[in-house]
Amino acid sequence: DSGVTQTPKHLITATGQRVTLRCSPRSGDLSVYWYQQSLDQGLQFLIQYYNGEERAKGNILERFSAQQFPDLHSELNLSSLELGDSALYFCASSGDSGGSGPPLHFGNGTRLTVT
Amino acid sequence: SQQGEEDPQALSIQEGENATMNCSYKTSINNLQWYRQNSGRGLVHLILIRSNEREKHSGRLRVTLDTSKKSSSLLITASRAADTASYFCATGGSNYKLTFGKGTLLTVNP
Repeated sequence: DSGVTQTPKHLITATGQRVTLRCSPRSGDLSVYWYQQSLDQGLQFLIQYYNGEERAKGNILERFSAQQFPDLHSELNLSSLELGDSALYFCASSGDSGGSGPPLHFGNGTRLTVT
Repeated sequence: SQQGEEDPQALSIQEGENATMNCSYKTSINNLQWYRQNSGRGLVHLILIRSNEREKHSGRLRVTLDTSKKSSSLLITASRAADTASYFCATGGSNYKLTFGKGTLLTVNP
């Protein structure tokens, strides 16, 4: 058990809808990362937060947004969903700001299916 | 875009044999890490090797790093059926993000 909790485990929704994925990092970790995993694209880095502030941005679409709250949990919001957004969304956490690429602790992911 | 590229894409061996997976990358790195992913589950960190290190061991795992060739290898000795999983290399730079390859699917047959 990594200590990173993601909810929900599965999400099925229709195109055009909006969903929110939630992540609680490992106790004591200040950094939260979001990754998208699909068969064709592999693991794609979306965004990182450190202690409430955005630290790095990757291949995140404008329809997607995220935030980290004062209690350090994070939410990833996906809107105007398209079929191609169907994927596994992972949250990971680390203890430091991530500047040198620290080891990450992953949750078990949220499987999003857009129909 | 992916930084690391694992080779082979898939590997099937018998229990007790050794498994070797390779990773190549393109830009300078601070460290290189290997992760394991069981089907549909989250990734688990296995080992981290810094750019100034050449070899590292952890239990049945041995990782090498050749920064001149921009490549790394992961050796799993005396493999077990429970080692069946996808293995990913990930490169850590100074840009706060860890970049993953597409992985090697290892199947260990009992």
